[in-house]
Amino acid sequence: DAGITQSPRHKVTETGTPVTLRCHQTENHRYMYWYRQDPGHGLRLIHYSYGVKDTDKGEVSDGYSVSRSKTEDFLLTLESATSSQTSVYFCAISWTTVYNEQFFGPGTRLTVL
Amino acid sequence: QQQVKQSPQSLIVQKGGISIINCAYENTAFDYFPWYQQFPGKGPALLIAIRPDVSEKKEGRFTISFNKSAKQFSLHIMDSQPGDSATYFCAASKGFGNEKLTFGTGTRLTIIP
Repeated sequence: DAGITQSPRHKVTETGTPVTLRCHQTENHRYMYWYRQDPGHGLRLIHYSYGVKDTDKGEVSDGYSVSRSKTEDFLLTLESATSSQTSVYFCAISWTTVYNEQFFGPGTRLTVL
Repeated sequence: QQQVKQSPQSLIVQKGGISIINCAYENTAFDYFPWYQQFPGKGPALLIAIRPDVSEKKEGRFTISFNKSAKQFSLHIMDSQPGDSATYFCAASKGFGNEKLTFGTGTRLTIIP
């Protein structure tokens, strides 16, 4: 998985609790992304980062925040988890500004009860 | 708004046959069209990609056909094998400036003996 790890790999939590997912890369790639994958929706971009402390919203950013204090780490936080955020979350990285080839991590399966 | 429409949702093909997955896009500014392959429990992995300066790209048994005027592109898997059973996602983006990828909703391909 291209030097990308995600933690935890599985998590079950309750509605209203905060949750933080971590993406760690060893490739020193500049760009990092968080997606969620749901049946019938494919992969939808939540937030992305184009450098340390530089982040921007994707198409489904409501209810999520991100932080990137180091090149290698990109954190996704659900401030108050809801059942609609039950999903599989993927982190991806990219090194190039031309023809956006992205490499994906193994995913985190999150269940919000 | 679904900018990349993918069909079919699921596909069953006999071993040795040709698997065909189609995608259509709306944004004429898109000029990079990758296909990702995802096995259960894994993150998507780049399979093959095309730019609109060519109408076809072939890598082994995998071929992308591109029709710029129709705003359509398709993935053909020749001599399909059980190991090709996976979910396939098409995607599109503008080539420069690390523009975000827009994914299709995915096709679950099953190759039967």
